[in-house]
Amino acid sequence: DSGVTQTPKHLITATGQRVTLRCSPRSGDLSVYWYQQSLDQGLQFLIQYYNGEERAKGNILERFSAQQFPDLHSELNLSSLELGDSALYFCASSVGITSGRATDQTQYFGPGTRLLVL
Amino acid sequence: GENVEQHPSTLSVQEGDSAVIKCTYSDSASNYFPWYKQELGKRPQLIIDIRSNVGEKKDQRIAVTLNKTAKHFSLHITETQPEDSAVYFCAANGYSTLTFGKGTMLLVSP
Repeated sequence: DSGVTQTPKHLITATGQRVTLRCSPRSGDLSVYWYQQSLDQGLQFLIQYYNGEERAKGNILERFSAQQFPDLHSELNLSSLELGDSALYFCASSVGITSGRATDQTQYFGPGTRLLVL
Repeated sequence: GENVEQHPSTLSVQEGDSAVIKCTYSDSASNYFPWYKQELGKRPQLIIDIRSNVGEKKDQRIAVTLNKTAKHFSLHITETQPEDSAVYFCAANGYSTLTFGKGTMLLVSP
């Protein structure tokens, strides 16, 4: 158990709908990362938050958005869902840094949310 | 930004053989290189990491080597066992976050 929790574990919805995925980081971690993993695909980095602020952006669609709350949990919102959005969505957390290169940025992954769009 | 290439994409070995997975990175300022193992349907888990002030690190049957000049690092697994079968991801630290390779599926046959 990494200490990172994600809810829900599974989500089945229809095209055009909107869903929210939730992540709670390890105690003491300030950074939260979101990844998308489709079948036979690697880990596609979506977005990173550090202490409530967006720190880095990857290949995140405009239909997707995220935020990190004062208690450091994070939510990933996926809207106008398409069949191709079906994937495993992982959240990871790390200690995080205020600036500079992330030398000690071991990321601990949550169990993931499996999203199926029908 | 950082770019990480990982090879091979699939690796099949017999139980007891060694397995080697190689990664190259583009940003010479990268100085932290973790490896993750992901079993089917599970989360990626850190198995070993190396920082740029060392050239090699070992943990039982797993070792990682780093060549900063050539900008590549490798994962070595000796005496492979069926439970080593999984997808392995390498990563390098860019500015603020990690950049992952595309993964190597390791299949260990009994």
